[in-house]
Amino acid sequence: EPEVTQTPSHQVTQMGQEVILRCVPISNHLYFYWYRQILGQKVEFLVSFYNNEISEKSEIFDDQFSVERPDGSNFTLKIRSTKLEDSAMYFCASRPRGVGGETQYFGPGTRLLVL
Amino acid sequence: AQSVTQLGSHVSVSEGALVLLRCNYSSSVPPYLFWYVQYPNQGLQLLLKYTTGATLVKGINGFEAEFKKSETSFHLTKPSAHMSDAAEYFCAVSVLASYDKVIFGPGTSLSVIP
Repeated sequence: EPEVTQTPSHQVTQMGQEVILRCVPISNHLYFYWYRQILGQKVEFLVSFYNNEISEKSEIFDDQFSVERPDGSNFTLKIRSTKLEDSAMYFCASRPRGVGGETQYFGPGTRLLVL
Repeated sequence: AQSVTQLGSHVSVSEGALVLLRCNYSSSVPPYLFWYVQYPNQGLQLLLKYTTGATLVKGINGFEAEFKKSETSFHLTKPSAHMSDAAEYFCAVSVLASYDKVIFGPGTSLSVIP
C-alpha cells in the first residue's frame, strides 16, 4: 500500500541553523500539508500546498518557514533560522483529489530537536 | 470554523473492558470526522472515518465510532480492550474544500491495565 515517507526521522540542530525536512507524498496525490506536534500537545496545522503554491497557512507559519515542491515527488519544509520552540514532531500529509479526497494520509514524522 | 474537544486527556481501562473515548466537534457545515491513533514514537495512523451515509463506522483493530449529529459527537468504542491498544488517540474534523486542513482534538491517552 502506498504511503507517505519522511526523512530524516530525527534531526538535531543548533539554534539559528537552517533545516530542511523532506517528504515524499503518495504519488497520485495533489494536495500536500505540513503539521507539527510539540511534545505532549496536539497536532497543529502549518500549511497546505496545491498546484505549486500555498493554499492556506496558520499563524505559526511565519516568514521563517517555507515550503517547496522541487520536483515531481518531493515536498519540503524549510525553517530558515531555527528557534528552541521549533522543537517538535513534524508530519507531512497528502491527499488525492476526487474519490477519497476527504482523507489525509500522514507520514511517520520527523522529530526535530533544536538546541 | 471547526473545532474538536475530547473529554478526558487520559483514560485507563482494564484489559477486556469496554473502551470509550469521547469526541465532540463544532462545525458550521457537515463535517468529515476521523479518529487517528499514535503509538509511542510513531506517526499518525487512520483508525476510521465518517464522511456520509451510515453513521456507525467500523475501523481497524475492532474499533468503531458513531456519528450523532444531534449531539455533535463522534465517540470511539471498542468492546474489549487489548494491551496493544495503549496509545494516544486523536479525534479530528475537516470540511472538504479545495484546500482543506484537518483540525485535531487535544488527544486522549489510553492506558490498558492487565
